[in-house]
This record gives sequence, structure tokens and C-alpha cells, in this order.
Amino acid sequence: SQQGEEDPQALSIQEGENATMNCSYKTSINNLQWYRQNSGRGLVHLILIRSNEREKHSGRLRVTLDTSKKSSSLLITASRAADTASYFCATDEGTGNQFYFGTGTSLTVIP
Amino acid sequence: KAGVTQTPRYLIKTRGQQVTLSCSPISGHRSVSWYQQTPGQGLQFLFEYFSETQRNKGNFPGRFSGRQFSNSRSEMNVSTLELGDSALYLCASSLASGTIGEQYFGPGTRLTVT
Repeated sequence: SQQGEEDPQALSIQEGENATMNCSYKTSINNLQWYRQNSGRGLVHLILIRSNEREKHSGRLRVTLDTSKKSSSLLITASRAADTASYFCATDEGTGNQFYFGTGTSLTVIP
Repeated sequence: KAGVTQTPRYLIKTRGQQVTLSCSPISGHRSVSWYQQTPGQGLQFLFEYFSETQRNKGNFPGRFSGRQFSNSRSEMNVSTLELGDSALYLCASSLASGTIGEQYFGPGTRLTVT
């Protein structure tokens, strides 16, 4: 079963703009991770945020986590054409055993 | 360090056949997880191996099996293939078992069942 749901399903922006995508999940978690996938290829880990953290930064990425709302958001600032990809959140449902991936947000950055 | 490698990259099989996919993790990683990705179901966890032992298993039929060797390389086998098994199969390696840290994904094997 899929734990997370990303919103929106698809997003199209101009280069230089910021992109925000959201992930909602259903149960308590130990950590939440965001991954990027370029067209039909493997996933690349972007950032991990633990349940006791509220915000993390990595380069142009900013992730927030609100455990009371069971939601997380990924912000990509100053987007580039190379950011065009699908973005997934993954949670462990608190079991620590396996990851459950969301449905993904397809981001298109127009040069 | 070399990344996660998967072979073959593309595969076409016929219904009823069986298939074996291979995954070589990053050197030093002892955990290998397998995922199936389809447009309809998204990314779904198949199983995880750590130190040659299956640690976790997703909700897939027994036709899906795997193993891990002493060098941490892993194989996944699907027997009696069905059309619905057409998918991108991804493996991921990590240092620890479970969901403690990040996973490093391979490029995937695209399986088409006709």
C-alpha cells in the first residue's frame, strides 16, 4: 500500500521560480525522505528528515515536516531545467522496516 | 565508489517464463531492497535482504523471491510470469537494515512480459 500522497500530481513552472510540493501520510513515522527520479530511471536520495525535526535544508532544497498534520513539503528554490523530474516522498509508517513511497509529483521546469 | 548496478537493463519475456534479475550494491553496503514500479501502483516494496537474510517482505505473491550472496550481491526471481509483472524493477542498497538511512538506487531493470 502507498503511505504518502504527493500534491500536486503535476507542476509546471518557469526556470528561476520556486517549486513547492507536498506529501501527506497516514500513520506515525520515524523519518521521511524525499527522492527524485528522472524519466524511468533510478531514484536519487535528496534529503532525510526525522520525526523530531521540523525543517532541513540542503542547497536549494528546503524540507519541512509537520507531524501533527502528518505532512511534509519540499521547496526547490531558483529552479533549473535540470530539476525536471518526478519527486517522491517515502515514509516508514513507524515500523522502521520498509519504505512506503507516495504517488509522486511530476515537475517540469521550462527554460 | 561505484554506484548500484543492475543487470540486465532491459528484458522481454513471455508469459509463463521465469526471470532472474541481478543487483550489485555499493561496496560496503550490506542491505539490498527491491521495488517494483508501475504506472498504476507506483513504487512498491518487494523485500529486503541484509547479510544474506531476508529481513522484510512486501505484499507480493510467492512467485517473487530473492536471495543475497556473501558479497552482498542480490538476485530477484519471478516465476510463472504474468502480463502484470511488466514493470521497472529497482534495487537499492544501504548501510543498515530497515529505514534508518538513505537508500542508493540502481538504474533499474525494465521487464516487459508479452
